[in-house]
Amino acid sequence: ETGVTQTPRHLVMGMTNKKSLKCEQHLGHNAMYWYKQSAKKPLELMFVYNFKEQTENNSVPSRFSPECPNSSHLFLHLHTLQPEDSALYLCASSLRPDSNYGYTFGSGTRLTVV
Amino acid sequence: AQTVTQSQPEMSVQEAETVTLSCTYDTSESNYYLFWYKQPPSRQMILVIRQEAYKQQNATENRFSVNFQKAAKSFSLKISDSQLGDTAMYFCAFMTTSGSRLTFGEGTQLTVNP
Repeated sequence: ETGVTQTPRHLVMGMTNKKSLKCEQHLGHNAMYWYKQSAKKPLELMFVYNFKEQTENNSVPSRFSPECPNSSHLFLHLHTLQPEDSALYLCASSLRPDSNYGYTFGSGTRLTVV
Repeated sequence: AQTVTQSQPEMSVQEAETVTLSCTYDTSESNYYLFWYKQPPSRQMILVIRQEAYKQQNATENRFSVNFQKAAKSFSLKISDSQLGDTAMYFCAFMTTSGSRLTFGEGTQLTVNP
């Protein structure tokens, strides 16, 4: 049990589809994050949420739409994606955004856009 | 902005031997935190070791230890008595004390051979 659960594990979608990624944690953390992991590139931070409020958006295209209904759940809504959006999407959480004990990660959703 | 560089995309080691993974970083901050994460084929990022920059003593966790050279901005990970289960992608990461987000390097794929 990782503490951070992501579903689905794999997702294949067409460029015109709409899908959502889900992340859930019951660690009592208040900060949650979406990262994009592409081959041979550093992890890219996409969004940061603190107590359900978005505090950071790193110039992510609007075809990615995050939602954080409470401190335990985080979604990433996807629509009209491009093939270059194919990647591993990782969710993470921490007690606070400035927590220096690192983040707890989920196992990611492997997204393929066809 | 902080950057993290891992110059070894791939490494291999024989079981029971010792291997060292390199990481350098660039920052103007004087106090910060450094991390090594492991990402096995299961894809979950697992925190291996954490170092506080203001501590001179190198962090150690069982078979994992670091060589932290603050002046050189170097933070290498040593794995002793390598085991097959150590096969994974290893990421070096950086965070300032002011609560900047975790910044990752490109990763090093380590393969432990029987």
